[in-house]
Amino acid sequence: GAVVSQHPSWVICKSGTSVKIECRSLDFQATTMFWYRQFPKQSLMLMATSNEGSKATYEQGVEKDKFLINHASLTLSTLTVTSAHPEDSSFYICSAPGQGANNEQFFGPGTRLTVL
Amino acid sequence: QKEVEQDPGPLSVPEGAIVSLNCTYSNSAFQYFMWYRQYSRKGPELLMYTYSSGNKEDGRFTAQVDKSSKYISLFIRDSQPSDSATYLCAMSPPGSARQLTFGSGTQLTVLP
Repeated sequence: GAVVSQHPSWVICKSGTSVKIECRSLDFQATTMFWYRQFPKQSLMLMATSNEGSKATYEQGVEKDKFLINHASLTLSTLTVTSAHPEDSSFYICSAPGQGANNEQFFGPGTRLTVL
Repeated sequence: QKEVEQDPGPLSVPEGAIVSLNCTYSNSAFQYFMWYRQYSRKGPELLMYTYSSGNKEDGRFTAQVDKSSKYISLFIRDSQPSDSATYLCAMSPPGSARQLTFGSGTQLTVLP
C-alpha cells in the first residue's frame, strides 16, 4: 500500500511559539491531503483539506489563521500551528487518498504535539 | 445525534475468542465503509474496505454492511494479543467520497 510519512513524530514547544508539521506521500502523488486532530481516547476529527495549488478548505470551527496549511508540491503538505497554546496539545495526523477507484485513505504515523 | 455511532468499549476478550465490533450510522448517502486499526500513538491502518452492502472476508477478518439497517460490523476470528488496538469505523458518500466520517473507536484488548 501507499506510504505516508510525517515529521516530526513528536514535538514539545513553549506556549506562543509556532510549530510546523510535514506530511509526505512517499511513493505516490497526492493533490489532496487531509489533516486530522485526535485527542486522547477520542476519534479523528477532520481539521482541513489541503489542496495542491490552491487554498486549503477548513472545517467549521477550525481557525485558518491559527492552523496554516501549505500544499507545496504533489508530495508535501505542511501544517503550521501558530502561537501554540496548551489546548493545542494533541495528536495530529495527515492522510492522503489512494490512487485507485476505491476510497482508501493512507494515514501518516501522526505527530504528537505538547505545548508547555 | 452523531452521524456515526460506535461503542467505545473498552472490550477485553481472551485469546482465541471471536470479536464483534459494530457501528451504526444515520446518513443514508454513505456508500463506502472502512475499518481502521490504530495502535497506541500511531496513525490508523486500513484493515477492511467495503463498497455498499454485503460481506467481505480477509483472513481472520470479516466485514459486513447492512445498509437497510444502517449497521456495519467487523468480526475477528481466533483473536490474538497482537489484535489489541483501537478499531475505528469510517464511511463516506460518493461524490465527496474522500472525506471520511469516523466512529469514536472501540478499544480492544485480547488477553493471552
